[in-house]
Amino acid sequence: GAVVSQHPSRVICKSGTSVKIECRSLDFQATTMFWYRQFPKQSLMLMATSNEGSKATYEQGVEKDKFLINHASLTLSTLTVTSAHPEDSSFYICSAVDWDREFNYGYTFGSGTRLTVV
Amino acid sequence: AQSVTQLGSHVSVSEGALVLLRCNYSSSVPPYLFWYVQYPNQGLQLLLKYTSAATLVKGINGFEAEFKKSETSFHLTKPSAHMSDAAEYFCAVSANQAGTALIFGKGTTLSVSS
Repeated sequence: GAVVSQHPSRVICKSGTSVKIECRSLDFQATTMFWYRQFPKQSLMLMATSNEGSKATYEQGVEKDKFLINHASLTLSTLTVTSAHPEDSSFYICSAVDWDREFNYGYTFGSGTRLTVV
Repeated sequence: AQSVTQLGSHVSVSEGALVLLRCNYSSSVPPYLFWYVQYPNQGLQLLLKYTSAATLVKGINGFEAEFKKSETSFHLTKPSAHMSDAAEYFCAVSANQAGTALIFGKGTTLSVSS
């Protein structure tokens, strides 16, 4: 089945620095990827939709200059948290659209990145 | 617009008992519906999905769900719970259009006692 690899799984950074999270589709081409944020014991909140070769579409309330998303190829999307602050500490998960043998679409998720800003 | 409501933030069952996790959806178009499981500090694993074919969908690990349009429901069941089923479960809906994001319910924590 479809596999999405997300790295790093955990990162600790100092306040004010930037962190890049990568999301790769390993065995399929992902024209569309999504980035979610998840707070402890809560559901996933959509941050942005990333389409290969075009600018990401951000959800209302998500700062696009703080959460930079790049989808430069059909297998790689990156999320860069710029000038990170402790309130950015969270679990970030990417997802890619995939297709099954019956030509139905679905969503495969990465394993998530635990970001801690100190 | 699409939305999902998961009834019950926490469900507790005994090992071997029936598991029933409830999900109701709202969608202005025929939906795709999904159930995912999440273990601590991990991503989401697909259990099953409904794509407008058979209304009874069988998934992995013995789980299944039935799409009931008249009740706008997509409840997840498993006849006999295992300890390893203890996790967070999310119901999600997508407009029947590839490229649109999943909308998630708030999740249900399943606890299994021996």
